[in-house]
Formats: sequence, structure tokens, C-alpha cells
Amino acid sequence: QVQLQESGPGLVKPSGTLSLTCTVSGDSISGNHWWNWVRQPPNKGLEWIGEIFHIGSTNYNPSLMSRVTISVDKSKNQFSLELTSVTAADTAVYFCARAPGEHYYDSGTYHAFYYYGMDVWGQGTTVTISS
Amino acid sequence: EIVLTQSPAILSVSPGERATLSCRASQSIGNNLAWYQQKPGQAPRLLISDASTRTTGVPARFSGSGSGTEFSLTISSLQSDDFAVYYCQQYNKWWTFGQGTKVEIK
Repeated sequence: QVQLQESGPGLVKPSGTLSLTCTVSGDSISGNHWWNWVRQPPNKGLEWIGEIFHIGSTNYNPSLMSRVTISVDKSKNQFSLELTSVTAADTAVYFCARAPGEHYYDSGTYHAFYYYGMDVWGQGTTVTISS
Repeated sequence: EIVLTQSPAILSVSPGERATLSCRASQSIGNNLAWYQQKPGQAPRLLISDASTRTTGVPARFSGSGSGTEFSLTISSLQSDDFAVYYCQQYNKWWTFGQGTKVEIK
């Protein structure tokens, strides 16, 4: 049974950096999956933050791209999120999620291909931005 | 960026009745659309992919249809466990979510 578990500080100061890790169990992070971060502000909808493939290729939400870095640690079967210059608007539940898919090269650039949706999710972790 | 617009925002339905939720994409996404169910305090649960393919274990009362820019999720006979928020999501180019439809008890 595949499980994802988020971990990290629940409180971050404004202008600081939010750092979270997702630990994957029951599956190899080196398989054909994109590993995602999704967040949900209080009483609001879901927002995709970004994703990584095990070789290190990343895609980010254009609205957050300037502040986001996602990395992978294959030795620990983990991937991580860093979000810089946080404000109260970044207060949210942060989820990690798996999306089966591929990473391929075509016409001079790399592309992401998804088999279907995000089929496994972590339980989510609440991060509050406050001094 | 592909924008998904869900309607209605809130759907009030009696148990046993049929519910139809809509999702419109700002540009054609083929059939690269998923539906999720989310209950309070829980992570989203993938119900349907490729616009109409139910995930293993999802009851047959859930069905999806559509392609291009217009999609729908139908719950044929609402059970008490179905009252939740439903999100559509496109994966034609990266990922975006609709704003959600809350299905509440009438």
C-alpha cells in the first residue's frame, strides 16, 4: 500500500521560507510518477504548486514559480518543497500527491505526460504564516 | 494557463436524488480531466480520470462525461456518504483545479 506523509514546521514567520518534506512508502520515488505539491487555504479550493520527476525535472505553477523549489532525495525516497518570502496568503494545508506519468523528450524540449489524475495523497499538513 | 469553471458553487440535493455537476475548460483539454471528492479534514480522493473512467473501488453511481471544454459528473442516487465538495482537474498541460462544487443535503 502506497503512503505519502508530509512533515515540516507548522508555523513560519512572514518573509521566511516554508520547507516541507514528503516521505513515500510502499513505492519507489524512481518509478514513472510525477510527485506533486498541492495546497488549500482555509475554506478555499485546491491550488497546484508544482511537481518533480525522479531525474530532477520540475514544473511549477506560473503564479508561484519565482518562489518555489521542489527537490528529490532518492536515497531517502523523499521529495521536498521550499517556498520563499512567505506571507499570510501562504497559510494553507499542504498536500503531497502522486501522479503516474512519464517524462519525455520531443522537438527539442522535455514534456510531462500524465496517465491519469493524482491517485495517492498525503493526509496534509497545516502551515500557518504568522509572527 | 487553463482555467476550469465549475457550476453550481453549491448544489442542494435530497438523498436518493440525482446530482449533476459541471466543469468548463477555457480551452480544449481533450479528455484529460479528473474529478475528486473531498470531505472536511481529508485529502481529495480521485474518483474519475480521463473524463469518464472510474477509479477502482468508486461506486457505479458516479459517472463522468464530456470532452473538449465541457464536462460533467453525475451521481445517480445520492447517498449520505456523497455529501462533500467535488473538484474537477485538468491534466492536459500541467495541472489546474476548478473552484469546487459543494453538494449539500437539501
